[in-house]
Amino acid sequence: AQSVTQLGSHVSVSEGALVLLRCNYSSSVPPYLFWYVQYPNQGLQLLLKYTTGATLVKGINGFEAEFKKSETSFHLTKPSAHMSDAAEYFCAVTLSNTGNQFYFGTGTSLTVIP
Amino acid sequence: DAGVIQSPRHEVTEMGQEVTLRCKPISGHNSLFWYRQTMMRGLELLIYFNNNVPIDDSGMPEDRFSAKMPNASFSTLKIQPSEPRDSAVYFCASSFQFEAFFGQGTRLTVV
Repeated sequence: AQSVTQLGSHVSVSEGALVLLRCNYSSSVPPYLFWYVQYPNQGLQLLLKYTTGATLVKGINGFEAEFKKSETSFHLTKPSAHMSDAAEYFCAVTLSNTGNQFYFGTGTSLTVIP
Repeated sequence: DAGVIQSPRHEVTEMGQEVTLRCKPISGHNSLFWYRQTMMRGLELLIYFNNNVPIDDSGMPEDRFSAKMPNASFSTLKIQPSEPRDSAVYFCASSFQFEAFFGQGTRLTVV
């Protein structure tokens, strides 16, 4: 079975501080992994994705994530938080052999403190 | 492309009424998903279609909910009769080559 666990439903960081949002996955086949961001009253927007190749992937707005197979993790980071980063972040996994179903985590709400 | 288009953006209805939510996926995408988002339960997959065929509807909460995809460019999610506990934001998403694109959602309020 496939699943995603996001540790910490709420994360607060100071403006300029490191952002670290945690995601662990479970998958019976090599996974494809995603981070989505949701701003208030909007739909989910893709931040970045890992399919194959380089395990460190860079996304929009300065975010990046590293696929670590040994740790079954795909944590999202950003070196310096900006006020505009305040949003809900979702980690998701899909199966590399079908890609027909996306499994989302429960989300992490990021607050940036000025 | 205009992205995934959902209508209406907001819907307020009385308990017992029928509600129909609409979705136009991105042209060329072969999978379509309906999700429901609430504070209590987060993002839940209700049903997904592949090439217009329903593949997994195990997330549909009960018989009051039904979804159709008559062609590659249109899908509906119907709730009949609606209940206050159906109040949520409903998202439609379409995907192609392992990437899902979401619509802006329909905020449903059942009073």
